[in-house]
Amino acid sequence: EPEVTQTPSHQVTQMGQEVILRCVPISNHLYFYWYRQILGQKVEFLVSFYNNEISEKSEIFDDQFSVERPDGSNFTLKIRSTKLEDSAMYFCASKDRVYEAFFGQGTRLTVV
Amino acid sequence: GQQLNQSPQSMFIQEGEDVSMNCTSSSIFNTWLWYKQEPGEGPVLLIALYKAGELTSNGRLTAQFGITRKDSFLNISASIPSDVGIYFCAGHLGAGNNRKLIWGLGTSLAVNP
Repeated sequence: EPEVTQTPSHQVTQMGQEVILRCVPISNHLYFYWYRQILGQKVEFLVSFYNNEISEKSEIFDDQFSVERPDGSNFTLKIRSTKLEDSAMYFCASKDRVYEAFFGQGTRLTVV
Repeated sequence: GQQLNQSPQSMFIQEGEDVSMNCTSSSIFNTWLWYKQEPGEGPVLLIALYKAGELTSNGRLTAQFGITRKDSFLNISASIPSDVGIYFCAGHLGAGNNRKLIWGLGTSLAVNP
C-alpha cells in the first residue's frame, strides 16, 4: 500500500537553529500539505502546495517557514530559526484529484 | 475563525460496548471526515462524508453527515481493544481538489478488555 514517508521521526534542536523536515509523498499525488499538532491540541493547517507553488498558508506559516519540492519526490518544510513554541508533531500529507489526503507518521520536533 | 467542537473529549469503555462521538460547527462544511490516530502514527482516514444526510459504514464504524451540514457523528459498535486511539473529525469548508482540513480536538478512546 502506498504511503507518505517522513524523516526524521524525532528531531531535537537548539532554539534559533534551522531545521528541515522531510517528506516523500505518494508518487502520483499532486497536492501536498504540512500540518502540525502541538501536544494535547488539535491538528492545525500550515500550508498547501500545488504545481510547485504555495496554494494557501495559515497565520502560523510566517516568514520563518518555507516549503520546497526540490527534486520531484521530496517535499520539505524548513523552519529558519526555531522557537520553543515550534515544538510539535509535524505531519506531511498528500492527495490526488479524487481521494482524501494520506498522512505521514509525523516528525516530532523538540526545541530546547 | 472556523472551529469544530468535538465531544466527548475522552471515553473509557468496556470491550463490547458501543461508542458514539460527534462534531458540531457554526460553519457549513462541504465534507466531513473521521480519522483515527494511534500513538506515534499519523491520522488514518476512517470514513469520508460528502453529502448532507449521508450515512456511511466501514465495518463496525458508522458516520453520518448532518442535514444542516454543520455536524457529524461517528458510532463504533461492539468495541474491541484495538479501537483504542484518538478519533478526530475534520472537514473541508471550500470546494475543489486542493482544500485544507479544519480539525476537531479529538476524542480519546480507551477500551477495557
